Amino acid sequence: EVQLVESGGGLVQPGRSLKLSCLASGFTFSNYGMNWIRQAPGKGLEWVASISSSSSYIYYADTVKGRFTISRDNAKNTLYLQMTSLRSEDTALYYCARYMGIRGFDYWGQGVMVTVSS
Amino acid sequence: DIVMTQAPLSVSVTPGESASISCRSSKSLLHSNGITYVYWYLQKPGKSPQLLIYRMSNLASGVPDRFSGSGSETDFTLKISRVEAEDVGIYYCGQLLENPPTFGGGTKLELK
Repeated sequence: EVQLVESGGGLVQPGRSLKLSCLASGFTFSNYGMNWIRQAPGKGLEWVASISSSSSYIYYADTVKGRFTISRDNAKNTLYLQMTSLRSEDTALYYCARYMGIRGFDYWGQGVMVTVSS
Repeated sequence: DIVMTQAPLSVSVTPGESASISCRSSKSLLHSNGITYVYWYLQKPGKSPQLLIYRMSNLASGVPDRFSGSGSETDFTLKISRVEAEDVGIYYCGQLLENPPTFGGGTKLELK
């Protein structure tokens, strides 16, 4: 069974940093691209960042470019999102999602909440 | 960025009846390879989104065949026949033709 379990969220002050993790199981992690997608409270879905299976290709939303860094450790089956210079508008539930080629985002984690507030 | 616009914002359906949700993209999602890169997701209350339809009309694994997707290059429809209580939630369309991936604002389906 495919499982994606996010962790590392919490309450953080504006301007500070936070690192999210997503532990994958039930599939060969190193074969799949992975993504972070977020959802502000009561709002819709916003794609944040993506990373290819071997980390060769990385993309970011303009809203986080230069502040967030996506990475992965295939030996540990873990996806990361390093978030710096956090702003109140980064407050959201952050999901990691598996990207299965043209099938799209076929599995999502349960999400981890990040709240940016003083 | 490609803008995805959904309608209506909400729909109320009697169990057993059918429902349709529309999605429009700001540019054609038809690739030169013949694939239309539109996707549908359902977010049930308190849950993570789940994939329903990929490449406009293909049912994801485990999704009941009451769900179907159709459309053209820029206009897409998700149809749910014989709506059941478990279908309640927010439906999102999304595109993967080009970066950044974008999503519609969502359509909330409720039961009458």
